Amino acid sequence: SQQGEEDPQALSIQEGENATMNCSYKTSINNLQWYRQNSGRGLVHLILIRSNEREKHSGRLRVTLDTSKKSSSLLITASRAADTASYFCATDAGSNYKLTFGKGTLLTVNP
Amino acid sequence: DGGITQSPKYLFRKEGQNVTLSCEQNLNHDAMYWYRQDPGQGLRLIYYSQIVNDFQKGDIAEGYSVSREKKESFPLTVTSAQKNPTAFYLCASSANRGGNQPQHFGDGTRLSIL
Repeated sequence: SQQGEEDPQALSIQEGENATMNCSYKTSINNLQWYRQNSGRGLVHLILIRSNEREKHSGRLRVTLDTSKKSSSLLITASRAADTASYFCATDAGSNYKLTFGKGTLLTVNP
Repeated sequence: DGGITQSPKYLFRKEGQNVTLSCEQNLNHDAMYWYRQDPGQGLRLIYYSQIVNDFQKGDIAEGYSVSREKKESFPLTVTSAQKNPTAFYLCASSANRGGNQPQHFGDGTRLSIL
């Protein structure tokens, strides 16, 4: 079963708007990662947040983690058409060797 | 440029045929992974390797085999025992094992049945 589940499954916004995607997971984690995948390409790592961190920033990206609710959110500010992609969260669930990926959120940014 | 190279980009398999997908990295990473991605789905782990000459089954290893004879290379063979091989296959690597390491991905191989 999937450890991480992204919500919504699909999101369509206009250029310049902010996009928020959520990830919920079931068991305790050490780390949570966010990845982007452009159509037909491999995944690209965006941000890693540790379980003792609550928020991280990278450029226009902001990730929050709430371990009490077992959830994380990815905020993309001032979106661009080039941000159109699928976004996945991945958790380690303390396994020490592997990541478990959710099914992703498909973000479409309309020019 | 450092990275991961997967080949071929597209591959077709006939019934009863084994096919091998190539994955090469020049990042000097110890750990390498193979994932399968079906439409609208997340990634599922097939095999992973933490070090040369060692590899472990992931969640969906049946019908697949791997080898890790060199640090740079981690080829995946899709055998005839894999009855539903049509999927997008992604290879990844990380500096070492563990969920605290970012994974670097190749651009995938799309496998279809003839």
